[in-house]
Amino acid sequence: AIQMTQSPSSLSASVGDRVTITCRASQGIRNDLGWYQLKPGKAPKLLIYAASSLQSGVPSRFSGSGSGTDFTLTISSLQPEDFATYYCLQDNTYPWTFGQGTKVEIK
Amino acid sequence: EVQLVESGGGLVQPGRSLRLSCAASGFTFDDYGMHWVRQTPGEGLEWVSTISWDSGSIGYADSVKGRFTISRDNAKNSLYLQMNSLRPEDTALYYCAKGNWYRGAGSFDYWGQGTPVTVSS
Repeated sequence: AIQMTQSPSSLSASVGDRVTITCRASQGIRNDLGWYQLKPGKAPKLLIYAASSLQSGVPSRFSGSGSGTDFTLTISSLQPEDFATYYCLQDNTYPWTFGQGTKVEIK
Repeated sequence: EVQLVESGGGLVQPGRSLRLSCAASGFTFDDYGMHWVRQTPGEGLEWVSTISWDSGSIGYADSVKGRFTISRDNAKNSLYLQMNSLRPEDTALYYCAKGNWYRGAGSFDYWGQGTPVTVSS
């Protein structure tokens, strides 16, 4: 199975900070990667699909990049509602696999 | 408005079976792949299974392969997950999710509210 190594596992940041989360695939997955936001008590929310396409309704401060094995989710200016856990998911090859998650906490 | 409503979760003993259902509305169900994802407090999100729009392509996580079966009834706009030989580590909140590509695979753009499954004696 393709392993998705996500880093960091957690980070502390302030409102207005630029935040970067990375995912590395154990083998090439083209651009078959999505990013999800998870908040307590709520269903996950799709932020980015196909590595860099912004899902409809998602604020433009979220962006994704990468192809092959290395991917990045960037939040350009962290807002209070962005404190959450973020996951990447490769949907290139079965079994599909999530990264371990990155918890973004308030500094 | 897209709606996904899961049902069928509950408390079950190890080794027993459970069948989850997901009722879909607000989109043309038979044009999209559908998925099951589970969330555990300690392990985060885990992809469980995917079925293509026409049931021609199906995938499973290694942890459930041979025990779980995904299916869909396009006439009833419904998705199912038959879970056999349940184990305590299957305890989780199970989400139904819609694929975002027309007749393709890919990311999950809509999710249900989840149905909890607890496997314990």
